[in-house]
Amino acid sequence: RKEVEQDPGPFNVPEGATVAFNCTYSNSASQSFFWYRQDCRKEPKLLMSVYSSGNEDGRFTAQLNRASQYISLLIRDSKLSDSATYLCVVNYDNDMRFGAGTRLTVKP
Amino acid sequence: DGGITQSPKYLFRKEGQNVTLSCEQNLNHDAMYWYRQDPGQGLRLIYYSQIVNDFQKGDIAEGYSVSREKKESFPLTVTSAQKNPTAFYLCASSILRTGAYNEQFFGPGTRLTVL
Repeated sequence: RKEVEQDPGPFNVPEGATVAFNCTYSNSASQSFFWYRQDCRKEPKLLMSVYSSGNEDGRFTAQLNRASQYISLLIRDSKLSDSATYLCVVNYDNDMRFGAGTRLTVKP
Repeated sequence: DGGITQSPKYLFRKEGQNVTLSCEQNLNHDAMYWYRQDPGQGLRLIYYSQIVNDFQKGDIAEGYSVSREKKESFPLTVTSAQKNPTAFYLCASSILRTGAYNEQFFGPGTRLTVL
């Protein structure tokens, strides 16, 4: 079983749609959680951290469910510029584990 | 401008050659990391270092070597012992705080191709 699992997609959605990604992790002692965005042939960049109470940043909402060991990312009102691969990242004691990513394409 | 730089951006290697990838950061971060990314896979940790003159193997260290002589620099050598070195190599750095949100910041990557 992989330590961090994501649906690879691709998710193809029209502009303005709402799309949600889920990610599950195996280490119940994991301490911190992140979503990174990676554009084609570029480095990953931090999109947002995921806090226990859930957090929102504009059109993006992240949720954490420790009991079920999953993290979610919701994107509302999708833009063409949201097209990218979204990586789920789970940290335990400075050991970061990356999911393989979910590919999103937003179409006009 | 603070950040992480990697060079070269593209690197071609003949079989049997060792090559060294550069990674420099001016963020004053204690920890530095090297990852490898293959298509359809998550990032896999090669080596990491939390302090100067000390480093630890990650999950896939075989065929690689590193050094950490300065806080700012963490070069990676891909040796001829690495059987399948063609990949996208990413260097990252972070501060170190136990249990906290120590996000990692990435350099732009080096794309290595073995000819």
